[in-house]
Amino acid sequence: AQSVTQLDSHVSVSEGTPVLLRCNYSSSYSPSLFWYVQHPNKGLQLLLKYTSAATLVKGINGFEAEFKKSETSFHLTKPSAHMSDAAEYFCVEAGGYQKVTFGTGTKLQVIP
Amino acid sequence: DGGITQSPKYLFRKEGQNVTLSCEQNLNHDAMYWYRQDPGQGLRLIYYSQIVNDFQKGDIAEGYSVSREKKESFPLTVTSAQKNPTAFYLCASSNNRNTEAFFGQGTRLTVV
Repeated sequence: AQSVTQLDSHVSVSEGTPVLLRCNYSSSYSPSLFWYVQHPNKGLQLLLKYTSAATLVKGINGFEAEFKKSETSFHLTKPSAHMSDAAEYFCVEAGGYQKVTFGTGTKLQVIP
Repeated sequence: DGGITQSPKYLFRKEGQNVTLSCEQNLNHDAMYWYRQDPGQGLRLIYYSQIVNDFQKGDIAEGYSVSREKKESFPLTVTSAQKNPTAFYLCASSNNRNTEAFFGQGTRLTVV
């Protein structure tokens, strides 16, 4: 069964410092991968997606992620954290609409 | 504007009562989904529907029911058989491929 592992349940960074949220997927084939962000009591908003084109994917709000097949990783990064980035982030793998697998989420705290 | 709308945003239910959560989309998507979100557990799939008049159980369908009489609508009923219904419920829709899902803003259900 496919699985998505978000390696950190909580990440805390200072404003202006880099952000790294880690995600590993399990599929042996080339999956479709997504990062979503969720602010408190809100729905999920798509940050970026990988669908077998360029391995470095740029998203909204300055986020990007790199697909590394050799490491089965799809880590989310941002060069400089902003207070508004504080939220929960989900890594998602899609293998057909009935096989969408969510990670358990990483809560990002940004310290002023 | 195209989007997906969930209502109500907050819902309170007495024990033993059924309650129905609304989800409507005007994105012309074929597939629709219901997820349940609990703290620290990510999102878990309740039901999904690929096409009108058809739906499939997800990972945690017990105590829930759905219908898909129209392409735009996918209401979820939380029945009295659901032992622990207090949670945040998210509806989503997508095209029938490995494309991203679009989420509603969620309904927070509390049993009192």
